[in-house]
Amino acid sequence: GAGVSQSPSNKVTEKGKDVELRCDPISGHTALYWYRQSLGQGLEFLIYFQGNSAPDKSGLPSDRFSAERTGGSVSTLTIQRTQQEDSAVYLCASSKSRVSGANVLTFGAGSRLTVL
Amino acid sequence: QQQVKQSPQSLIVQKGGISIINCAYENTAFDYFPWYQQFPGKGPALLIAIRPDVSEKKEGRFTISFNKSAKQFSLHIMDSQPGDSATYFCAASELAGGTSYGKLTFGQGTILTVHP
Repeated sequence: GAGVSQSPSNKVTEKGKDVELRCDPISGHTALYWYRQSLGQGLEFLIYFQGNSAPDKSGLPSDRFSAERTGGSVSTLTIQRTQQEDSAVYLCASSKSRVSGANVLTFGAGSRLTVL
Repeated sequence: QQQVKQSPQSLIVQKGGISIINCAYENTAFDYFPWYQQFPGKGPALLIAIRPDVSEKKEGRFTISFNKSAKQFSLHIMDSQPGDSATYFCAASELAGGTSYGKLTFGQGTILTVHP
């Protein structure tokens, strides 16, 4: 597609339920990132996938959070046993990988998660 | 060590005025400093970026000023327009080592409102 696609755009769930958020990156982009944007806060890094390398999970806030990327393309972020503090906008971004120089991240519009 | 501090939280400017947003960082290993612009309901988009080998970069009405010794950088928007009203995020990352890695550390964001 032309851009990074995320679904659902909005998700309301009850505390304790599991949720899955999907990201479809730009075709040909080998790097994929998940960030979390809480109200009034900056963007918090969650996880990074690069090709077939082991993902960098250093930003995941707890073991309730996990993510996978199938076939080097679509990614799913899963939050188990959701808590109210998980309410945020979850942003996915993708980029080409370059041998040197900065990657330009293209972000999706995000999935807004509300935990009641 | 990994924080990027951004100010002000919000900024109101009259059309034609200059908007200035400041950021400070602690990690001296940071060597790539982008600014992202985010409109409501959209993901952030790269606006302009700078490397520490230059003190200023200008693209149209947008200028980044960089002070390596003070570990500070700022975004100046000249002749601000109502269409510039958005949330602006500064960010920083490490590119040295050839990892070409997009793990950005973001500031808290500045909500800019430009009045007509």
